[in-house]
Amino acid sequence: DGGITQSPKYLFRKEGQNVTLSCEQNLNHDAMYWYRQDPGQGLRLIYYSQIVNDFQKGDIAEGYSVSREKKESFPLTVTSAQKNPTAFYLCASSISGRELFFGEGSRLTVL
Amino acid sequence: KQEVTQIPAALSVPEGENLVLNCSFTDSAIYNLQWFRQDPGKGLTSLLLIQSSQREQTSGRLNASLDKSSGRSTLYIAASQPGDSATYLCAVPYQGAQKLVFGQGTRLTINP
Repeated sequence: DGGITQSPKYLFRKEGQNVTLSCEQNLNHDAMYWYRQDPGQGLRLIYYSQIVNDFQKGDIAEGYSVSREKKESFPLTVTSAQKNPTAFYLCASSISGRELFFGEGSRLTVL
Repeated sequence: KQEVTQIPAALSVPEGENLVLNCSFTDSAIYNLQWFRQDPGKGLTSLLLIQSSQREQTSGRLNASLDKSSGRSTLYIAASQPGDSATYLCAVPYQGAQKLVFGQGTRLTINP
């Protein structure tokens, strides 16, 4: 089935560690996005990419990094510089400017 | 700057009722508006996408309307069922249609 796969579903991180969240899509979409969701704050855009080997910062990019080496993959690294990384992370994709589709999310908890 | 507001934040109704969820946005120069559903601990599921040239879009028991001039959209749910219980979010593009700004959602509970 076509869709967006995020892994892992749950992840625990110690202080000072970098972690990478995976996002893979087989929808042949050009654009991919990472959002962060916190209770009471809605969804906030971290990074987005419209084509391979190119990406732009969203509203809250500090402490995060991404790569887009393949059209179907857009991994997000949460670095130790992110001071409050505990959140629900959502990956999405679209044909640029059109309907947005989401993965099932990854919940990151800092111990 | 585009801002999206959804009121009420939570709504509880008995099964079988028809209901309306509201979404308002500050900048009427939008390309489209999208409604999503989110179940607890899950990702967002796209329900309806309304293009700026459309006034309505329907899918099954769901009907979404768009009034750009007043900066409003409504999601109408007919004959509500307990399985409709979820958080409903609306979103509009900004900064060249490549990004979406989301409302904070309406948490809907349908009581059997």
